Amino acid sequence: GEDVEQSLFLSVREGDSSVINCTYTDSSSTYLYWYKQEPGAGLQLLTYIFSNMDMKQDQRLTVLLNKKDKHLSLRIADTQTGDSAIYFCAETPFDGGFKTIFGAGTRLFVKA
Amino acid sequence: DTAVSQTPKYLVTQMGNDKSIKCEQNLGHDTMYWYKQDSKKFLKIMFSYNNKELIINETVPNRFSPKSPDKAHLNLHINSLELGDSAVYFCASSESPGESQETQYFGPGTRLLVL
Repeated sequence: GEDVEQSLFLSVREGDSSVINCTYTDSSSTYLYWYKQEPGAGLQLLTYIFSNMDMKQDQRLTVLLNKKDKHLSLRIADTQTGDSAIYFCAETPFDGGFKTIFGAGTRLFVKA
Repeated sequence: DTAVSQTPKYLVTQMGNDKSIKCEQNLGHDTMYWYKQDSKKFLKIMFSYNNKELIINETVPNRFSPKSPDKAHLNLHINSLELGDSAVYFCASSESPGESQETQYFGPGTRLLVL
């Protein structure tokens, strides 16, 4: 079945890089996403990567996709206290019946 | 301009009551969703509508009934509320299901507390 797994917590110091990892099971996934949820708010799309790409960079964000290992990571450079949030990995399987599958979310704590 | 809006933002009610949550999107999207996020932040899809037609119906109690009067609105009605229904309910929308990149835009959430 479809499953997306992430570690639940990550703590970093302000200014360091954060790397949030995700593994997924459905190799047919077309798009993989990273969403951010700040306290008391809805999810907001941060970035996405198409399955035929290995890497995507967008300012401080770098997404790496290892399709062979079904591993997705999000690197945040120069992490700021405002980056403290829950980060959800998600995939859209090709034959998922129009569903996007979300991971449980990684809680990023940034210490000043 | 609010892209996806939900009302109410907070809902506190007694067990056994019937309540509705409303969702509206002004993005011109064809597809709308309801998700439930529990206290551990697990996000699970409940329903999805595409052009007013139900396309995803996960295993949820039939006390939950979605209604889509038009493609810009997807409301969620819950009968006979139970303690376990306490959660944050998110509405979302996207351009079309299963085609190319499908960014979902989320509403701010409705925090439901059943006493």
